[in-house]
Amino acid sequence: GAGVSQSPSNKVTEKGKDVELRCDPISGHTALYWYRQSLGQGLEFLIYFQGNSAPDKSGLPSDRFSAERTGGSVSTLTIQRTQQEDSAVYLCASSPQANTEAFFGQGTRLTVV
Amino acid sequence: QQQVKQSPQSLIVQKGGIPIINCAYENTAFDYFPWYQQFPGKGPALLIAIRPDVSEKKEGRFTISFNKSAKQFSLHIMDSQPGDSATYFCAARTAGNKLTFGGGTRVLVKP
Repeated sequence: GAGVSQSPSNKVTEKGKDVELRCDPISGHTALYWYRQSLGQGLEFLIYFQGNSAPDKSGLPSDRFSAERTGGSVSTLTIQRTQQEDSAVYLCASSPQANTEAFFGQGTRLTVV
Repeated sequence: QQQVKQSPQSLIVQKGGIPIINCAYENTAFDYFPWYQQFPGKGPALLIAIRPDVSEKKEGRFTISFNKSAKQFSLHIMDSQPGDSATYFCAARTAGNKLTFGGGTRVLVKP
């Protein structure tokens, strides 16, 4: 594809529900990253994939957060039992390999009501 | 712990002025320092980047100055234009391309 694609672009969910956020990286990019951007804040690292494995998931804020990547391509970030403090823009990025330029998607704006 | 501190939080300049954004870091393991530009509703886009063995880098109207001993780096936008109005983030990278971002600076360039 032309760029990193994320879906949905917006998601409103009720507190306590589970949500899945999807990221389609640029074709051929082996590295994939998830970040979270809270309103008016910087970007917070969540997890990094190299291929299908996640060598660094140190940024996941709690065990309600999980992510997987299949086929070295699409990644899904799952938030269980959502809380209001989970409201943020979730950004995905990919790069051809580790330590090269990362390209960001437009993000998924999650609102927990 | 915020490992990359960015200032100011916001900046207003007249067209043609030179906004300057400063960042400071603590972790000497950082090996790459990119700047990202973000417009509302869009993801961040890489603007310019520098490695710690270089003291200055210019790309068009954007210049990074890097002071390794002080662990500080800054972005200068020369001859700023209203289209440069955006939020700018500095970042620092460790192994595996994990980026640690500063808090962002909202720049407004008035016509």
